[in-house]
Amino acid sequence: GAVVSQHPSWVICKSGTSVKIECRSLDFQATTMFWYRQFPKQSLMLMATSNEGSKATYEQGVEKDKFLINHASLTLSTLTVTSAHPEDSSFYICSAPRAGRDTDTQYFGPGTRLTVL
Amino acid sequence: GNSVTQMEGPVTLSEEAFLTINCTYTATGYPSLFWYVQYPGEGLQLLLKATKADDKGSNKGFEATYRKETTSFHLEKGSVQVSDSAVYFCALSQEIWGAGTKLIIKP
Repeated sequence: GAVVSQHPSWVICKSGTSVKIECRSLDFQATTMFWYRQFPKQSLMLMATSNEGSKATYEQGVEKDKFLINHASLTLSTLTVTSAHPEDSSFYICSAPRAGRDTDTQYFGPGTRLTVL
Repeated sequence: GNSVTQMEGPVTLSEEAFLTINCTYTATGYPSLFWYVQYPGEGLQLLLKATKADDKGSNKGFEATYRKETTSFHLEKGSVQVSDSAVYFCALSQEIWGAGTKLIIKP
């Protein structure tokens, strides 16, 4: 099966610091990856679409300067939360469809719990 | 705009009961519809999907039919098991997700 990993699985940081979250497709290539944010007992909110070799596409209302996305290779996308604040505390999830395959089917990472103190 | 409305949980059933989790949508065009499942402590997994009207997606005993006339994609299972306890999400493409329904199955 297709596996997507995320690192770290959880992180606690001080307000004002930056945190980088990695999303890797372990056994397939992904030209596109999606970053979501999930609030407690709520649905996933798509933040941005990460495109290998080009700029990410951000959803309306998501600050691109705050949530920096880099898709440097066909298996790795990173989300950096810059100058984090307590309101950025959330569960961040990435997903990816297989490149060249059924692009409707996404494979999800296990998520990263960010807590900003 | 596009949206998904999913029944609120938690839904608590006894083992072997019949399950229905309602999902209705609003969309322009004919997007694909999905059900995802999140087991405790695990990442989201695709459960089933349907890509056009009248399509039926099925997996692990679960079924859902893409009904254009009622704009619905209800999830059903004839006999649930304790291992089906999880949170179920209805989704319309990658962008639009329901709020999730927690399912609790008691032995």
